Amino acid sequence: NAGVTQTPKFRILKIGQSMTLQCAQDMNHNYMYWYRQDPGMGLKLIYYSVGAGITDKGEVPNGYNVSRSTTEDFPLRLELAAPSQTSVYFCASSTGGAPGTQYFGPGTRLLVL
Amino acid sequence: GENVEQHPSTLSVQEGDSAVIKCTYSDSASNYFPWYKQELGKGPQLIIDIRSNVGEKKDQRIAVTLNKTAKHFSLHITETQPEDSAVYFCAASDTSYGKLTFGQGTILTVHP
Repeated sequence: NAGVTQTPKFRILKIGQSMTLQCAQDMNHNYMYWYRQDPGMGLKLIYYSVGAGITDKGEVPNGYNVSRSTTEDFPLRLELAAPSQTSVYFCASSTGGAPGTQYFGPGTRLLVL
Repeated sequence: GENVEQHPSTLSVQEGDSAVIKCTYSDSASNYFPWYKQELGKGPQLIIDIRSNVGEKKDQRIAVTLNKTAKHFSLHITETQPEDSAVYFCAASDTSYGKLTFGQGTILTVHP
């Protein structure tokens, strides 16, 4: 079991560029989440999904998009990158239900210049 | 929405001492309260959690207490060790979708 994997580990983007952060889990979890963590702060929820084809906004969704075509994958798309999107991005998954324990990936560090 | 406040922001203790981190939450509908440990360059890892139908939970050197009336919960680490040094986050969730609201984090340093 690899758990939750994220790629890339680190990326530098220029303002206005776009990119997709990849997240995959091999635990057959229905629930998946994207969080961002700014320096010295707690994590904030960007988007979440309760199953393939079902996604919803979290606390800070502006500037991001997601899709969930399979149970395993939950990519996060950044369109027109801005310096305010410089952050560390974490993907997590859980079995759901009452709620279930969330397992986090190692994170993607993004720098927008 | 939910708001979680965490204190202190930094905590320095000697090896063998106890450490206590406190969190308060605002939404009385919250019913799940996990604690995460984050080591440098890694993702958060669950260390203990408590649900609203339980007042206290213990796992070896780690314990969590919950006071629903006062809307606060605390993490207690006894007999601290240098490897306990990390950032600790509390969180709260009010739905079965598991959307977590995190506190700001506490940097715990255990001095040998």
